[in-house]
Amino acid sequence: KAGVTQTPRYLIKTRGQQVTLSCSPISGHRSVSWYQQTPGQGLQFLFEYFSETQRNKGNFPGRFSGRQFSNSRSEMNVSTLELGDSALYLCASSLRPRDGYTFGSGTRLTVV
Amino acid sequence: QQQVKQSPQSLIVQKGGIPIINCAYENTAFDYFPWYQQFPGKGPALLIAIRPDVSEKKEGRFTISFNKSAKQFSLHIMDSQPGDSATYFCAAIHPNSGYALNFGKGTSLLVTP
Repeated sequence: KAGVTQTPRYLIKTRGQQVTLSCSPISGHRSVSWYQQTPGQGLQFLFEYFSETQRNKGNFPGRFSGRQFSNSRSEMNVSTLELGDSALYLCASSLRPRDGYTFGSGTRLTVV
Repeated sequence: QQQVKQSPQSLIVQKGGIPIINCAYENTAFDYFPWYQQFPGKGPALLIAIRPDVSEKKEGRFTISFNKSAKQFSLHIMDSQPGDSATYFCAAIHPNSGYALNFGKGTSLLVTP
């Protein structure tokens, strides 16, 4: 069974630009979450979607947004990029969140 | 602030040793405690998880010990192998925060041959 697919794997953007990252969850998984991973802050929760509705949001500025489509695929968008947004962005999906999440391999974003 | 504190930051053991990674939390409302393993270039993978009504859980060579009164839990890896070299994260979920994983900062484990 295919895992969680994130595209692209790598991105280089310039400060001030915006970026959109994509996530295809495991078939049948309706819960999709996003996390930011950096060496300094570790893994931090961005937001979680279920059936196209954002159920929970982490402590990130409004420049970070996301959405989920009817096929459960999700995108996250970061506007007005800052150098500090350089990170590995991970998407995770779950059939039942209490039973655990399956993570994708992430998108490595570098802001220059 | 970090809601789950993890130690040590790094650990080196010889093959066959039993590395132990510890985590502590303050919020007694947390009710689900998973451990994740991450290899370079990959996302974290769920290893094992425990709920606070259980004091110990074993899955293969991995064991979680849970001390509810001390608000601590730990991961033991029995008969560790070089292939276990990875970064390990503990996490906790609060039932009223949706299903957001609150991660520890991670422990980089190296198992030498």
